[in-house]
Amino acid sequence: QKEVEQNSGPLSVPEGAIASLNCTYSDRGSQSFFWYRQYSGKSPELIMSIYSNGDKEDGRFTAQLNKASQYVSLLIRDSQPSDSATYLCAFYGGATNKLIFGTGTLLAVQP
Amino acid sequence: SQTIHQWPATLVQPVGSPLSLECTVEGTSNPNLYWYRQAAGRGLQLLFYSVGIGQISSEVPQNLSASRPQDRQFILSSKKLLLSDSGFYLCAWSVGTVYEQYFGPGTRLTVT
Repeated sequence: QKEVEQNSGPLSVPEGAIASLNCTYSDRGSQSFFWYRQYSGKSPELIMSIYSNGDKEDGRFTAQLNKASQYVSLLIRDSQPSDSATYLCAFYGGATNKLIFGTGTLLAVQP
Repeated sequence: SQTIHQWPATLVQPVGSPLSLECTVEGTSNPNLYWYRQAAGRGLQLLFYSVGIGQISSEVPQNLSASRPQDRQFILSSKKLLLSDSGFYLCAWSVGTVYEQYFGPGTRLTVT
């Protein structure tokens, strides 16, 4: 089992719709979870951090964490073409003492 | 505010040549520093991390090495590049026990 699993996509949504990105992880001891956005040819940019079960909202972005089910998701409301990018989830692996990254989901927002 | 710099932005090197990539951080003291590699279509692979001057931990045995000669400077080196060393090299920083990492602009290395 991979430490972090993400659907590689592409996930295609129309402009203005809600994009839902999901990630599952294997380390039950993980306490810190992150979403990064990576535009093609650019470096990853941290957009959300979440540490507790439940939802965390920041503008059009909502991160959801469910530790019992070992999944974290990112919702993007009112999706814009400028949101088109690869979204990487990551968690701090307490057992390994490092940040573990998924391979990312490619999001394409169609105008 | 904190800023992280990497250079060069792109590099094309022949097999067997040496490598030196540099990363510097501004606006913070005693950062944790990281080197990652992202190969085409693959995830981020942690290569090295450092919690202080001269303190380097290696994650993957390979022909690369890292050094931290100053608090906010992190250098990735190789004596002889392999074709498999091609990729996007990213430097990142964090502070203390905060696990949020922030990435530099990266260096795209092509070994020919």
